[in-house]
Formats: sequence, C-alpha cells, structure tokens
Amino acid sequence: GENVEQHPSTLSVQEGDSAVIKCTYSDSASNYFPWYKQELGKRPQLIIDIRSNVGEKKDQRIAVTLNKTAKHFSLHITETQPEDSAVYFCAAKITGGGNKLTFGTGTQLKVEL
Amino acid sequence: NAGVTQTPKFQVLKTGQSMTLQCAQDMNHNSMYWYRQDPGMGLRLIYYSASEGTTDKGEVPNGYNVSRLNKREFSLRLESAAPSQTSVYFCASGRQEDTGELFFGEGSRLTVL
Repeated sequence: GENVEQHPSTLSVQEGDSAVIKCTYSDSASNYFPWYKQELGKRPQLIIDIRSNVGEKKDQRIAVTLNKTAKHFSLHITETQPEDSAVYFCAAKITGGGNKLTFGTGTQLKVEL
Repeated sequence: NAGVTQTPKFQVLKTGQSMTLQCAQDMNHNSMYWYRQDPGMGLRLIYYSASEGTTDKGEVPNGYNVSRLNKREFSLRLESAAPSQTSVYFCASGRQEDTGELFFGEGSRLTVL
C-alpha cells in the first residue's frame, strides 16, 4: 500500500518568515495530494490540494509543489502569522476504490512572535 | 447543514468493555471513513466504506468492527477494548469521485483503562 513520509515533525519560525513542509510518497499511481490543517483540539480541514497533472498551485500565502519523478510534494507558507500555528498533514490518494487517503505523520508548526 | 457528526465526544472504558462510536453525515457522500489519531503517528485508517453496503479494512483494523447502516451512518465498534485503543477517533466522509477532499467530524476521545 501507499506510504507517506513527512518532515519535519516540528517546525518553529518567526512571524513573517516562510515555512516549508516536505512529504514523499511511495505509490507512483497516486494522483491527488491534499494538505490538511488541524488546530489544537479541532478537526483536520483541507487547506490546499494538487493533482498529479499540475506542478504547482498557489492560494494566497500558501502554495504546494509536486515533483512526480521524485515522488515529492511540499507545502510552502509565506509571511507566517500566529494563526498559522497548527499541525499540518500531507496525504496521498491511492487510485481506485473508496477514495482512500493515506496521511503523513504530521508537522507541528509554531509561529513565534 | 451539520456536516459530519460523531458521538460520543469523550468516553472512558475499562479493559474488556465494548462500545460503539456513531457517525452520521448529511452531505450525501458515498464514502465514509474511520481514522484514529495518536501522537506522532498521524491519522491512520481503521476501516472505510466506499458506498452503502460495502466496508473494507484500512491500515489498522484489528480489534474493530464497522457497520454501514445506510448512506448517512457509519459506526465503529470496539468489542473488547484494550489500552492500546486509547486514541482520538475521527469519522470522515467524502465523495468517491472527483476530488479526494474529506470532511471530518469533531473527533471522539477514547480512554481505555
């Protein structure tokens, strides 16, 4: 089955700096890569996603890049703010049956004032 | 719309006791999922249901059973709870086709003593 590795497990940045979280996946058939944000005590929520036919996607201060050859994808957050502090999960979709997502182990991002 | 609703939010069990986590969604989604979240291990899939009438094992199914009661409801049962099942459980739903976005419930914190 699919295996998704995520790094780093914790990340601390100063407010206004950029943050980058990286993931790798194992199954070359995966074609959909979402990122979820989970604030403390809350449910995970989708913040951005990318499909395998696209190399980069941006939404205001966040962007995701995908390198299919290397099976890498990354989340980039620019001009970080305290409200960006949360756990971020990457995921990869296994094609076929059930729309099943495999998640990475999460990155705890802390934005310090 | 309530989205995905799961109950109970908190539960304490003794080893060997049984319980059922209930989940319901009102978004007319075909697919439903149960994940567990443990520190440092991300979200791991326990069971999923691609459509009404079907269920499949995920990554960590041992010790659990599920029932897809109808299109709206998907329950998770622990027949004989063990301390290793202490976790936060999330139910999620999504459309099988198109995007892989999942919508999560608020989570159920289960402690097994």
